[in-house]
Amino acid sequence: DAKTTQPNSMESNEEEPVHLPCNHSTISGTDYIHWYRQLPSQGPEYVIHGLTSNVNNRMASLAIAEDRKSSTLILHRATLRDAAVYYCILMELNSGYALNFGKGTSLLVTP
Amino acid sequence: DAGVIQSPRHEVTEMGQEVTLRCKPISGHDYLFWYRQTMMRGLELLIYFNNNVPIDDSGMPEDRFSAKMPNASFSTLKIQPSEPRDSAVYFCASKKSGLRGGYTFGSGTRLTVV
Repeated sequence: DAKTTQPNSMESNEEEPVHLPCNHSTISGTDYIHWYRQLPSQGPEYVIHGLTSNVNNRMASLAIAEDRKSSTLILHRATLRDAAVYYCILMELNSGYALNFGKGTSLLVTP
Repeated sequence: DAGVIQSPRHEVTEMGQEVTLRCKPISGHDYLFWYRQTMMRGLELLIYFNNNVPIDDSGMPEDRFSAKMPNASFSTLKIQPSEPRDSAVYFCASKKSGLRGGYTFGSGTRLTVV
């Protein structure tokens, strides 16, 4: 299984942009990069995913390196409600959409 | 859409008892996943179904665990007999096949075995 590496924790100030990094140096050509987040006492929540091109949605942006060995989840303006654990996961195309969650990055947002 | 519905939200049971967790996926979603979350091991994929058929149960910890999906709108995860080390939050998630979008998770069942 291709693995991802994320920092254990990060801190951000409210209303500032946040860049959450993820390394996936063993990614294969057909692996999709998925991001989920888990707020305290809730189930994980889908954030965004991509294959090669950068992606934007209402929640965040995903910037994918040209060699696809790393990616960055961008929250354009952090709010207190964005404090959560953020998971970067590779979805193998032939895995039946199964996702194996790692430890993720715990994001603290301070006022 | 009510989302993925899990019941019960909390379950406290004595060691040795049978426990049944329930999940109703989102209508139209043809994939269903069961996860377990603990502080020590994080989120673990236990089993998943496609069109009600179990595809991969390699994550099921032992024979005490079993899961069924009798129809497209209902799945159960059963533990018999339960043990204290089974205490965890169990999540159900569903997804529509295809590369658009992601999983939708339920709110989870917090199981405590005493």
